[in-house]
Amino acid sequence: QVQLQESGPGLVKPSETLSLTCTVSGDSVSSGGYHWSWIRQPPGKGLEWIGYIYYSGSTNYNPSLKSRVTISVDTSKNHFSLKLSSVTAADTAVYYCARLRRTSYYFDYWGQGTLVTVSS
Amino acid sequence: ENVLTQSPGTLSLTPGERATLSCRASQSISSSYLAWYQRRPGQAPRVLICGASSRATGIPDRFSGGGSGTDFTLTISRVEPEDFAVYYCQQYDSSPITFGQGTRLEIK
Repeated sequence: QVQLQESGPGLVKPSETLSLTCTVSGDSVSSGGYHWSWIRQPPGKGLEWIGYIYYSGSTNYNPSLKSRVTISVDTSKNHFSLKLSSVTAADTAVYYCARLRRTSYYFDYWGQGTLVTVSS
Repeated sequence: ENVLTQSPGTLSLTPGERATLSCRASQSISSSYLAWYQRRPGQAPRVLICGASSRATGIPDRFSGGGSGTDFTLTISRVEPEDFAVYYCQQYDSSPITFGQGTRLEIK
């Protein structure tokens, strides 16, 4: 059974960098059939795709966030990470990690999500 | 980007009724790259339908998907109590990946 679990600070100050990690169990981030993804949902709003990474390190980011986002992967720890710089209150959201199937491009496993609040 | 617009925003039904949810895209989508998700309160989204019409593993056959081009539908033939949730469509025919804003299915 594939499981994903987000971890990281629940409170980040404005202008600082948000950092989250997604630990994967039941699968390897080095398996070739998937992109490892981040998605967020601000309170009262819809789902927004942030970006994804392949085990090789290649990435694809949402243009709306591209200038502030870095996604990385650590195959030795079987996890991948998100960094979002220069955060504002608009970045307050529930952040999900998810596995995206490469050939059919849907998210088949999701983490439970973690709420990150941007506030001083 | 390909904007997905879902309707209605809220659908109020009683258990046993039929639910029809719509997802309209601003640009044509290959059916292969349209998916539907269900999100229950306090839970992560789970995939219901992929490829516009294929049920994901373990999804009951009361859920069905259809449509093509810019218009897609998710149908629940007879709504069960556990189906009251928020439903999202998602596309990746073109980057960036986008989601609809969601349809809330509530008990009438």
